[in-house]
This record gives sequence, C-alpha cells and structure tokens, in this order.
Amino acid sequence: KNQVEQSPQSLIILEGKNCTLQCNYTVSPFSNLRWYKQDTGRGPVSLTIMTFSENTKSNGRYTATLDADTKQSSLHITASQLSDSASYICVVSKGDNDMRFGAGTRLTVKP
Amino acid sequence: DTEVTQTPKHLVMGMTNKKSLKCEQHMGHRAMYWYKQKAKKPPELMFVYSYEKLSINESVPSRFSPECPNSSLLNLHLHALQPEDSALYLCASSPTPAKDSWNSPLHFGNGTRLTVT
Repeated sequence: KNQVEQSPQSLIILEGKNCTLQCNYTVSPFSNLRWYKQDTGRGPVSLTIMTFSENTKSNGRYTATLDADTKQSSLHITASQLSDSASYICVVSKGDNDMRFGAGTRLTVKP
Repeated sequence: DTEVTQTPKHLVMGMTNKKSLKCEQHMGHRAMYWYKQKAKKPPELMFVYSYEKLSINESVPSRFSPECPNSSLLNLHLHALQPEDSALYLCASSPTPAKDSWNSPLHFGNGTRLTVT
C-alpha cells in the first residue's frame, strides 16, 4: 500500500470554479510535505512546502493546508484557469532524502 | 522555462543500441537525481548523486549506468534496454547534499521521452 494516497484520481471542473485536492499519508517520521504541479510532458514544479508546524500556506491562487495530527493535506485552487490543467503530486519527505510520491490527481479545467 | 536542461527531448532506440541521456544545471546545486516516470504514475527514484558521488542506487538494472562528470552534468548511459523501459526519464537537482535535501525543493528538467522498440 502506498504511503501517500491522493484523491480524487482525476477531476474535471469549469474555468473559474474552485477545487480541493486531498493527500493522506502514513509516512513516518514526517519532515515536510510538498505539492508539485506537473504539466503534460514536462517536469514537476514545486508549488508549496509544508512543515510540521505549518497549518496553511498560500502561493497565489493555490492554498495548501496540513493537519499533522490526522496526517492529511489539501491543495485548494481558487478561480481556476485553463492553465491549471495538470497533474498535482503530493510528496512527503521522511527527512533523510527518502521522499514518497503520491500517484497524483489529474485536473482538467474546461472553458 | 526550467533551469535543469535535459537532452534529447525524445529518443527512440532499439534493444541493441547504446545511447546516453544528458542533464545540465548551472544553479550550483550539489545533489542530482534520475527519476523514471511511466504514464499516469508518479516519478520513481533511480539514482542520487551527492557532490558528484553516487549516494543512492535504487536497485536499478545494470543496463542503466549513471555518470556525473562534474557538479553541473549528469548522464544516464543506456544499453540493451527492454521495451518496458520506455518511459519519461526526469533529471532533478537540489541545492544541498542529498542527505540534507529534505528541506530543499527538487528542480526538475522537462525529461527525455524514451521509446524502446
């Protein structure tokens, strides 16, 4: 069983709408959690990093939350744009160069 | 555009060919990585170089041979590959030595799309 589970697997929304992607993990020990955006045919790009003491962090229209007690994180996208169509990958680090990747959520934003 | 450059973007090779993938970064990063990514799957770690020394080999078959000639370059030499090795090969770098990279983002290249026929 993967130690980083993402849901949903895929999501289709209309341009301008908001959405929330989920990441649940069982990785231990926990060092930090990152959200990456991967456009088709390109490498992943880091969006946010969350450490144990952080509950929420924003990067433009992206807001990440972390509940270290329940081992859950979410990525909220506000006022979606067509360019938000991509895979969003949750990566949890154990702190020793051991990074566990989620399978990603494939987001499609339609006009 | 990404600061990690990978060449070629696409590569088609036969099972008896020998080819190399190249990766270059000029950000002064001291850790460099090779990942393999199959369609609709997350990247899987293959190799990690820290200060130009191989620090992690995730039990990768010997038909994949990494090389780090200097701190800016990372190669992946390919020989006698199988069709199931077809994938997107991603190079990444991070600022600090691999063992301390937990707090540094990975900077990925755009990958080489490899097809083995």
